Amino acid sequence: EDQVTQSPEALRLQEGESSSLNCSYTVSGLRGLFWYRQDPGKGPEFLFTLYSAGEEKEKERLKATLTKKESFLHITAPKPEDSATYLCAVHSTGANSKLTFGKGITLSVRP
Amino acid sequence: NAGVMQNPRHLVRRRGQEARLRCSPVKGHSHVYWYRQLPEEGLKFMVYLQKENIIDESGMPKERFSAEFPKEGPSILRIQQVVRGDSAAYFCASSHTQVGLLSGNTIYFGEGSWLTVV
Repeated sequence: EDQVTQSPEALRLQEGESSSLNCSYTVSGLRGLFWYRQDPGKGPEFLFTLYSAGEEKEKERLKATLTKKESFLHITAPKPEDSATYLCAVHSTGANSKLTFGKGITLSVRP
Repeated sequence: NAGVMQNPRHLVRRRGQEARLRCSPVKGHSHVYWYRQLPEEGLKFMVYLQKENIIDESGMPKERFSAEFPKEGPSILRIQQVVRGDSAAYFCASSHTQVGLLSGNTIYFGEGSWLTVV
């Protein structure tokens, strides 16, 4: 069974204090690893898809990286508007189109 | 969220009533997914549908829950005889093709329907 574990559960940063969010996964075969952002009372907003170990993608202050066992979402010089819950999900071979999600990491950035 | 429309956004039902949640996918998308998010839990897959067909319902409870995606009109998630444990946020998502068939294809989520059972 596919498993996704995200850590830490919650992270509080000062504005400008860079950090990383971790997503560890166990799958039979990885087709894709997804990162989403979710604001309170809203639906998940797509950020990145990574397909193979060594791949990296960037968007503004966010950079996602992938290894064979985990993915990191690096946040450089965060701003208060980056405060949200960040969700990691995997799509594995044999899973049809089902995504398996972690519980998310709640990020709070203080001004 | 890229055009996936869900309604109602909030729904209150008494125990034993029926709840119907509607989802219109992004224009041009023919693949629809339903996920449930319980408090303090991650998003859990429920069902994957393509026009008029259920492809994978492995995450759907065996009783009281059903889903459809007719040739015309929105996808419907129907919960009969609701119980307090059904209170959750239900998210619909859509994609252009089956995820994984094409690199770059992804799943876009709607804003969710929050069901409260009293």
